[in-house]
Amino acid sequence: DTGVSQDPRHKITKRGQNVTFRCDPISEHNRLYWYRQTLGQGPEFLTYFQNEAQLEKSRLLSDRFSAERPKGSFSTLEIQRTEQGDSAMYLCASREGGETQYFGPGTRLLVL
Amino acid sequence: EDKVVQSPLSLVVHEGDTVTLNCSYEVTNFRSLLWYKQEKKAPTFLFMLTSSGIEKKSGRLSSILDKKELFSILNITATQTGDSAVYLCAVEADSNYQLIWGAGTKLIIKP
Repeated sequence: DTGVSQDPRHKITKRGQNVTFRCDPISEHNRLYWYRQTLGQGPEFLTYFQNEAQLEKSRLLSDRFSAERPKGSFSTLEIQRTEQGDSAMYLCASREGGETQYFGPGTRLLVL
Repeated sequence: EDKVVQSPLSLVVHEGDTVTLNCSYEVTNFRSLLWYKQEKKAPTFLFMLTSSGIEKKSGRLSSILDKKELFSILNITATQTGDSAVYLCAVEADSNYQLIWGAGTKLIIKP
């Protein structure tokens, strides 16, 4: 257990529904990252926050994806109008300064 | 475009063997290279390498970075079945601290 938590751990939804995932980073970590990982691939960077500021969001996969970190603590990742291709593991990681990133357990999404 | 390439993509060895996993990279504004181990869950951190030629060691695992030739290796000696996992290499660029990931090496240790 790295201290980064994600909720839910698993989500099954029907195509077209909206889903929201939560990440609680290690408390003193100011940087928070979201990744997507599909089977047989390394994680794919989506977006990152420094405190409450979203400093990089050009890699979000489409305008159906959005992320927030309103108070610089927990973050949410929302996918609107889900598609079957969104099925993947969604990983959150946090870090403090120049230290390494620590990953949460991930949320596994299945879109039917 | 920045990229990280790992080889081999998969490897099957017997318990007790020594393995070497490779990671090469082309990344602008290199900051560090990281190795992670991933079993059926999120990646867990192994090593962070920033300087060439300095070996990092943890038990049977060791890793070294060559910034001139742009690669790193991860060695595992006296392998055990618990070493079976996907080993991921990632490179961090200075510009925005995002990690650029390789596809991983799937390592299977047979008893």
